[in-house]
Amino acid sequence: DGGITQSPKYLFRKEGQNVTLSCEQNLNHDAMYWYRQDPGQGLRLIYYSQIVNDFQKGDIAEGYSVSREKKESFPLTVTSAQKNPTAFYLCASSQTGGNIQYFGAGTRLSVL
Amino acid sequence: GENVEQHPSTLSVQEGDSAVIKCTYSDSASNYFPWYKQELGKGPQLIIDIRSNVGEKKDQRIAVTLNKTAKHFSLHITETQPEDSAVYFCAAVYNNNDMRFGAGTRLTVKP
Repeated sequence: DGGITQSPKYLFRKEGQNVTLSCEQNLNHDAMYWYRQDPGQGLRLIYYSQIVNDFQKGDIAEGYSVSREKKESFPLTVTSAQKNPTAFYLCASSQTGGNIQYFGAGTRLSVL
Repeated sequence: GENVEQHPSTLSVQEGDSAVIKCTYSDSASNYFPWYKQELGKGPQLIIDIRSNVGEKKDQRIAVTLNKTAKHFSLHITETQPEDSAVYFCAAVYNNNDMRFGAGTRLTVKP
C-alpha cells in the first residue's frame, strides 16, 4: 500500500513545548514538503527537501525545524518559538523534476 | 514571487448544475496547474491538472481550461453530485517544484 503517512492525526502542545510531526513515504520520491493550512487560507510552505540531508526554508519557516536523514522520512518539529502553532499540517512528496505533489492525510495541532 | 488568486471562496449549486472555479496567476513562467480536492479532515487529492502547452483537458465530469495570455485557468464540474462537495484548491508551479496555492473554494452541492 503505497503512499504518504502522517502521524499522529491529532496532537496537542503545551506552552513552551516542542512537538514533532511524523511524515513517512514509500513512493521512492526524492522531494518532500511541509505545508501549514489555516481556515480560509491556501497552503503555505514551511520547509521542503529535494534530497536527503538537504532542506530549504519555505515562506513561513520561523518557529519550525526539519531533518531529512532518510529518503522516506521528513519530520517537522514545531518549536516553542512558534507562537501560533494551531493549524492543520500537511506533508507532501514528489519525484525530482516532477510537478505532481501527493499529500498525506494531515495532522491537526492544537494548543492546550 | 508567484501569487495565485482563486474565486469564489464559496460556491453553492443545486445537484445536476455546473460549477466553475477560476484562478489567476502572476508569473508567466508557470507551466503546470493542478487542481486538488480536499474533503473534511483529509489531505488534498489531485483531481486534474494541465500543462502550459495545452488549452483544455477533460476527465469525465471535470474539465480544466487554461488561458496563458490572460494568465488564468478554470475548473469546470458538470452534472454536480453531493459527493462533489469539498474544498477545491488551484495551484501554479513555477521555478521547478515551487507550487503556490489559491485560498480555496468551498463547494456545496445541494441535493
